[in-house]
Amino acid sequence: EAGVAQSPRYKIIEKRQSVAFWCNPISGHATLYWYQQILGQGPKLLIQFQNNGVVDDSQLPKDRFSAERLKGVDSTLKIQPAKLEDSAVYLCASSLGRLNIQYFGAGTRLSVL
Amino acid sequence: AQSVTQLDSHVSVSEGTPVLLRCNYSSSYSPSLFWYVQHPNKGLQLLLKYTSAATLVKGINGFEAEFKKSETSFHLTKPSAHMSDAAEYFCVVSDNNDMRFGAGTRLTVKP
Repeated sequence: EAGVAQSPRYKIIEKRQSVAFWCNPISGHATLYWYQQILGQGPKLLIQFQNNGVVDDSQLPKDRFSAERLKGVDSTLKIQPAKLEDSAVYLCASSLGRLNIQYFGAGTRLSVL
Repeated sequence: AQSVTQLDSHVSVSEGTPVLLRCNYSSSYSPSLFWYVQHPNKGLQLLLKYTSAATLVKGINGFEAEFKKSETSFHLTKPSAHMSDAAEYFCVVSDNNDMRFGAGTRLTVKP
């Protein structure tokens, strides 16, 4: 069974530029999550989708971050414009349902210069 | 709101000696608790989970954790460390699918 796929693995941009990350969850998983993991900290949930609907985006900085899951399968997370403090690893996870185990991708490491 | 505290940011053990990674949690309800491991440049992998069944939970790679409600703890243990256990470990509390991660404990295993 293929795991959660994320791309790119690494991204370096300058502040005020835009960036997008892509996630393809495990086939059949209805729930998809985006987390931000700043160096030295545990992952923090940014947004959770159930199929193509948003369940929880309370911790998403909506002035610069956006995410979509239009067909209820893969998802993109965008930052526009990026700030220095956005430097982090962005993790995508998926689960069969909201109460099931979450499986994580390898993440995208973003450096904002 | 729930929270989780990992009491040690870094633990160092010698190969073949026991491992203890400590975790305390706070939750208003009966939470689910997890331990995840993160190897360098790899995704988080579930080690074990507690969901109100047996208080002693066995996971993969010889790890286990004991849920102690009176102490609000969920410490992770392994009888004998292996070099391949060197990684970052995260304790996670989940209440109604709201997962909160601890800050992590980095485990170093010395030969």
